[in-house]
Amino acid sequence: QTVVTQEPSLTVSPGGTVTLTCASSTGAVTSGHYPNWFQQKPGQAPRSLIYGTSNKHSWTPVRFSGSLLGGKAALTLSGVQPEDEAEYYCLLYYGGAGVFGGGTKVTVL
Amino acid sequence: QVQLQESGPGLVKPSQTLSLTCTVSGGSITSGNYYWSWIRQPAGKGLEWIGRIYASGNTNYNPSLKSRVTISVDASKNQFSLKLTSVTAADTAVYYCATIGGDSYWGQGTVVTVSS
Repeated sequence: QTVVTQEPSLTVSPGGTVTLTCASSTGAVTSGHYPNWFQQKPGQAPRSLIYGTSNKHSWTPVRFSGSLLGGKAALTLSGVQPEDEAEYYCLLYYGGAGVFGGGTKVTVL
Repeated sequence: QVQLQESGPGLVKPSQTLSLTCTVSGGSITSGNYYWSWIRQPAGKGLEWIGRIYASGNTNYNPSLKSRVTISVDASKNQFSLKLTSVTAADTAVYYCATIGGDSYWGQGTVVTVSS
């Protein structure tokens, strides 16, 4: 059973920078895992922010960026805004089957 | 603009089959390079990837659910469907249909409760 691990929670000050990571139990995360990042706010459906490691949608705020960092997928929020407080999920693919991470609760304080 | 809408029974009895449909509007289910996906989320918990289907019919499933899951496409109705057999209370969740990738669209989600 493949497990994808994220930090359970992170706290960041407004205007600050925070990096969320996404690790795979099978080893280093690569672009072949096609990392995706989603933001979910309470009572809402998830919203895609990043696909294919670092690609942004037209609606993705500039302050969000995706990368591979130290064998993990990473989502960096630069210049955090209060509205960025949310749950963030990564999704990795393994031979066509997807596995979500457990999510990271980002608190802006 | 593509829109997705889930529909189906909100209550399913244990051991029965959960059946949901996702209706695609604003675009053809057979056009584009979309994988049509199902994801679920138990109350207060994280997202779980269930499976996906390509317009050609090629499917991928979560290994832990594979023996119980079938995803299919009905191109004539511009819909794709999820069937989950032998449900238990652990299958109670909000179920989302979505496309994931460069074109990402999500339904609003539908609550399915498994209870007698």
